[in-house]
Amino acid sequence: DQQVKQNSPSLSVQEGRISILNCDYTNSMFDYFLWYKKYPAEGPTFLISISSIKDKNEDGRFTVFLNKSAKHLSLHIVPSQPGDSAVYFCPHNTDKLIFGTGTRLQVFP
Amino acid sequence: DAGVIQSPRHEVTEMGQEVTLRCKPISGHNSLFWYRQTMMRGLELLIYFNNNVPIDDSGMPEDRFSAKMPNASFSTLKIQPSEPRDSAVYFCASSYRVVETQYFGPGTRLLVL
Repeated sequence: DQQVKQNSPSLSVQEGRISILNCDYTNSMFDYFLWYKKYPAEGPTFLISISSIKDKNEDGRFTVFLNKSAKHLSLHIVPSQPGDSAVYFCPHNTDKLIFGTGTRLQVFP
Repeated sequence: DAGVIQSPRHEVTEMGQEVTLRCKPISGHNSLFWYRQTMMRGLELLIYFNNNVPIDDSGMPEDRFSAKMPNASFSTLKIQPSEPRDSAVYFCASSYRVVETQYFGPGTRLLVL
């Protein structure tokens, strides 16, 4: 039972442009939503989170939007940089985090 | 803090051999997680502990896999006997509580020939 889905396995964006990564979820009981980033040969690292009572959270170039009516979560990276090239996960948190396959972002010069 | 420490970083073994992966969580963290990453299935949760007690091992593939946490600063994941399909990167993570931010180790890349 996959309660959060990342429908795009990969995304390619030019440096300086906006990257938008999306997640759709089914369970309205989540307390908060997380984004993790993973570089090759490294473990995932926490990037940003948003509480279910908010609709936006911003941290520098990273902004997460939560649309509760659509059950949709998105991460915006502006401006995108080559160092942002990584796999991004939006694990959902019930009693544990379920990561899945993520979305691979490639930012090219 | 040194972060989550995993050893070995790389392991190459032959089918049928026993493999033991080790993890030292961040001091003060009460929850520890073992994950496996493969191309096909992404990052899968195998088992997690809270206060050294296994809470959910539903992700453990089969009886060949076992995990222990004898104390708050050490955990092992053992595969016996190992098979080629166990080849993957195995990550350990820890957090203060189960649903809080997890901090991952660098992973152990396992290759079973």
